[in-house]
Amino acid sequence: SAVISQKPSRDICQRGTSLTIQCQVDSQVTMMFWYRQQPGQSLTLIATANQGSEATYESGFVIDKFPISRPNLTFSTLTVSNMSPEDSSIYLCSAGGMNTEAFFGQGTRLTVV
Amino acid sequence: AQSVTQLDSHVSVSEGTPVLLRCNYSSSYSPSLFWYVQHPNKGLQLLLKYTSAATLVKGINGFEAEFKKSETSFHLTKPSAHMSDAAEYFCVVSGRNDYKLSFGAGTTVTVRA
Repeated sequence: SAVISQKPSRDICQRGTSLTIQCQVDSQVTMMFWYRQQPGQSLTLIATANQGSEATYESGFVIDKFPISRPNLTFSTLTVSNMSPEDSSIYLCSAGGMNTEAFFGQGTRLTVV
Repeated sequence: AQSVTQLDSHVSVSEGTPVLLRCNYSSSYSPSLFWYVQHPNKGLQLLLKYTSAATLVKGINGFEAEFKKSETSFHLTKPSAHMSDAAEYFCVVSGRNDYKLSFGAGTTVTVRA
């Protein structure tokens, strides 16, 4: 199993600013992902964080808004840029998958005011 | 592409009675299917997974699910609900050649004393 640590666990941010969320896995993993869970909604995949190359974004998400870094096999960051109240969500980091269990961080609860 | 549909947005049961959460999937190949639970303000926890082995899958906390290819279903059941089962439940399908997960809309379970 893998343990995923995310920080911050929550934050309240001013509109127009940016927040970087960190995700640390306690073991090397091939795949890492970032999800968004809007209030009362299910999880939506933002992007796949690729080690050593640019992230792969899902439809509706762009690099300028959600830049992602993956410098090694245990760490990734997601930045939410130029925030607006619509960005208020829970952002979750995930590792693993592909016929095996995907592990999730506790999430970062973001409120934009 | 694969997807899942959770047929009930909300299920309410009395403590000690059976729980049934319904999930149908759509996939052009034999899928990997999962049920995750999310307690309030907590991270996602894997309940069980189907990966083309036994069609009846037993999970944690007394939950089980049956994969029925003819019905494209993967319903989650528990014989006797406990108050601690009150949570959000997600049916999830993974891609064939990648690690991406597609989440259902979720089913909120409430348990009455």
